[in-house]
Amino acid sequence: EVQLMESGGGLVQPGGSLRLSCAASGFTLSDHKMDWVRHAPGTGLEWVGRSRDKGNSYSTEYAASAKGRFTISRDDSKNSLFLQMNSLKTEDTAVYYCARADNSGFNNYWGQGTLVTVSS
Amino acid sequence: DIQMTQSPSTLSASVGDRVTITCRASQSISSWLAWHQQKPGKAPKLLIYKASSLQSGVPSRFSGSGSGTEFTLTISSLQPDDFAAYYCQQYDSYPLTFGQGTRLEIK
Repeated sequence: EVQLMESGGGLVQPGGSLRLSCAASGFTLSDHKMDWVRHAPGTGLEWVGRSRDKGNSYSTEYAASAKGRFTISRDDSKNSLFLQMNSLKTEDTAVYYCARADNSGFNNYWGQGTLVTVSS
Repeated sequence: DIQMTQSPSTLSASVGDRVTITCRASQSISSWLAWHQQKPGKAPKLLIYKASSLQSGVPSRFSGSGSGTEFTLTISSLQPDDFAAYYCQQYDSYPLTFGQGTRLEIK
């Protein structure tokens, strides 16, 4: 059974940093594209970025809002995905989900999410 | 970036009703469209991919159609468990984008 479990959320001040983790089980992480998607209060879902699979050299794509501040990485030996978030802004406050992507690109499995609150 | 526009934003309906949600893309995305359901405080759940393919385990009362720039999600007979938010997602090109969501409420 595919399972994704995010951790690392919490309260951080504007300008601060936070590293989210996503522990994957039930499949081999290196074989799959993996995304981070967020859901801010009162808004809809927003795609944050993607790490492609090993066959595509783990290359990454980012939303404009994340580019230059957020970095997606992975440790396949631990079957884990990470989101390093720097220079955080209040508008980054959201529940952050990791999601597995099908080869075609849509998200077919989602974690339960971890809440990030950016506030002074 | 491809903009995805859903309508309506909120839909009030009763158990047993047939409902349709529309999603329009700002440019052609062929059939590279998915629909997700999200309940409050829960993770999204994939319902439909490639515009009309039903994800395994999803009830057959859910169906999707469309291609190019106009897509629909139809629930043939609403059940109590279906009252939730629904999002379309294009995966034709980066950045991936979602519609703003449709909240399906009990009338």
